[in-house]
Amino acid sequence: SQKIEQNSEALNIQEGKTATLTCNYTNYSPAYLQWYRQDPGRGPVFLLLIRENEKEKRKERLKVTFDTTLKQSLFHITASQPADSATYLCALEDTGRRALTFGSGTRLQVQP
Amino acid sequence: DSGVTQTPKHLITATGQRVTLRCSPRSGDLSVYWYQQSLDQGLQFLIQYYNGEERAKGNILERFSAQQFPDLHSELNLSSLELGDSALYFCASSALDRANNEQFFGPGTRLTVL
Repeated sequence: SQKIEQNSEALNIQEGKTATLTCNYTNYSPAYLQWYRQDPGRGPVFLLLIRENEKEKRKERLKVTFDTTLKQSLFHITASQPADSATYLCALEDTGRRALTFGSGTRLQVQP
Repeated sequence: DSGVTQTPKHLITATGQRVTLRCSPRSGDLSVYWYQQSLDQGLQFLIQYYNGEERAKGNILERFSAQQFPDLHSELNLSSLELGDSALYFCASSALDRANNEQFFGPGTRLTVL
């Protein structure tokens, strides 16, 4: 069956360090992958979309990699700040259903 | 502010009742998506409409239905409510009729079924 796995344990890091979050998937052949940020009680906010032929994409302090052989995406936040504390969700197109399927998210806590 | 509005913000009702959640997409967006988010299930896709037509369906219960009106706002109807329907319901919109573009999420409606 199709599965998207994100580390359910919270990631705690010190301010200024690089946070790395992982998204693994099985039984998907996505042409692209998206990352969203969600704060408690609020709707997700789109961050980045990466296509299968892009391997790496950057936006300000954010970097996403996409390895279709490993079936994995890594999401990096460099020079992390307490304001980066949130839950980060990866999402793939659900093949044949024309809809996004979201992972359960990883909560990031950046300590000052 | 994403530009997507949802009403009401909170809804408390009893089992067996019926409720209607409303969503207005961003100006110019033709696609509307509905999601359910509960603590144990994460964010689950329910249904998508594009310019008034149903385009994709997720694991939406038969007790749930939706529609998109000519002015592009959408309503999600939940009937015969059960305790397990308590969740955050999000609406999202996008410009295109495909999943490979960013979706803009509303603030959500928190439904509590007692």
